[in-house]
Amino acid sequence: NAGVTQTPKFRVLKTGQSMTLLCAQDMNHEYMYWYRQDPGMGLRLIHYSVGEGTTAKGEVPDGYNVSRLKKQNFLLGLESAAPSQTSVYFCASSYSLVEIYTDTQYFGPGTRLTVL
Amino acid sequence: AQKITQTQPGMFVQEKEAVTLDCTYDTSDPSYGLFWYKQPSSGEMIFLIYQGSYDQQNATEGRYSLNFQKARKSANLVISASQLGDSAMYFCAMREGNAGGTSYGKLTFGQGTILTVHP
Repeated sequence: NAGVTQTPKFRVLKTGQSMTLLCAQDMNHEYMYWYRQDPGMGLRLIHYSVGEGTTAKGEVPDGYNVSRLKKQNFLLGLESAAPSQTSVYFCASSYSLVEIYTDTQYFGPGTRLTVL
Repeated sequence: AQKITQTQPGMFVQEKEAVTLDCTYDTSDPSYGLFWYKQPSSGEMIFLIYQGSYDQQNATEGRYSLNFQKARKSANLVISASQLGDSAMYFCAMREGNAGGTSYGKLTFGQGTILTVHP
């Protein structure tokens, strides 16, 4: 049981390049999330998914796209990277409990992305 | 207004002593959950403890306990018998029952407190 895994762990891009971050979970969770963590700003939600085939925007979605073709995988894409997207990216997953406020999110190890 | 406020950017504690990390929150939703996560220098986010708004007793998980004062809207994390391995960033977070106006139950994080444990 690996929990939530992310690939790659580190990446350096040049401005304008594209890349995809992969998140995988083996806990049969319905909900999956992508966050970014910037110094002094805590975590902010980029996009999320409440089930296979569905995605929606979070707080800071601009410049990112996502896809959830399989329940266990959630992909985050950067089509044209910008230096402002230099950050640490975390994926998380959780069950879809009726009382959602009791639902714990479990995080992957993070991807450190630098855009030059 | 900040939904989650952690007023201590950094805290220091002596090994084997107890330490309290402060967290205040702001919500008008009667149903909400409060979470604490630990982020060591290696970077991963580790779930520590959860407290629901309707829970009568303070949550405890091993050396971690949550001092929940609902009327004051505070959810402080207490770490007893600190260990060197407790040195890390600690985040308080909240999830609102009315989904925070969203369909997914937005999880809002504070800015974190860096805890340093001295030998």
